[in-house]
Amino acid sequence: GAGVSQSPRYKVAKRGQDVALRCDPISGHVSLFWYQQALGQGPEFLTYFQNEAQLDKSGLPSDRFFAERPEGSVSTLKIQRTQQEDSAVYLCASSLEVGQEGETQYFGPGTRLLVL
Amino acid sequence: SQQGEEDPQALSIQEGENATMNCSYKTSINNLQWYRQNSGRGLVHLILIRSNEREKHSGRLRVTLDTSKKSSSLLITASRAADTASYFCATGGTSYDKVIFGPGTSLSVIP
Repeated sequence: GAGVSQSPRYKVAKRGQDVALRCDPISGHVSLFWYQQALGQGPEFLTYFQNEAQLDKSGLPSDRFFAERPEGSVSTLKIQRTQQEDSAVYLCASSLEVGQEGETQYFGPGTRLLVL
Repeated sequence: SQQGEEDPQALSIQEGENATMNCSYKTSINNLQWYRQNSGRGLVHLILIRSNEREKHSGRLRVTLDTSKKSSSLLITASRAADTASYFCATGGTSYDKVIFGPGTSLSVIP
């Protein structure tokens, strides 16, 4: 079946531009997570949604980062006034509710962002 | 912040050999997971071991967990070139809890 999809797969932005990264979770998955992976590092948590509610945004590095999931399905991660240090792979993951088989988070292929 | 450390950081072996990667973590856990990430691809969940389990197998993968030492190991037997990837241990990762990843081990399997 269809997995988590993300778009675009690659994005080049000039410093100062705003970018929007899209995540389409697996249908029916309640939980959605965003992670940031710098080159040569493990992914690091950014934010978490349960349905449309953003329950944890403690990992967002600055107020330039904003995420939303207005209808509890597709999510968008927006980065305003991009900086070179924002260059990374942005991964989205989704999961079923607690207590069901889907305790595992399923990851998308990621969006590779390069800020020049 | 990252939960633990993988050891070694990089590993190069010949096809057919076994590969062992170790992971140490800092806090108490409910489960520990291993993920694989190929170059340019997303993370793939390999195996989850719960805190009350000591060993788990899945195909050519064998994972051990020692909660007293806060450590885990991943053994890949009879390695193949297609096993070339980065391997991450991680904690958390239920449907309501963020995954906390280690920095990863880069495995190269030479044909």
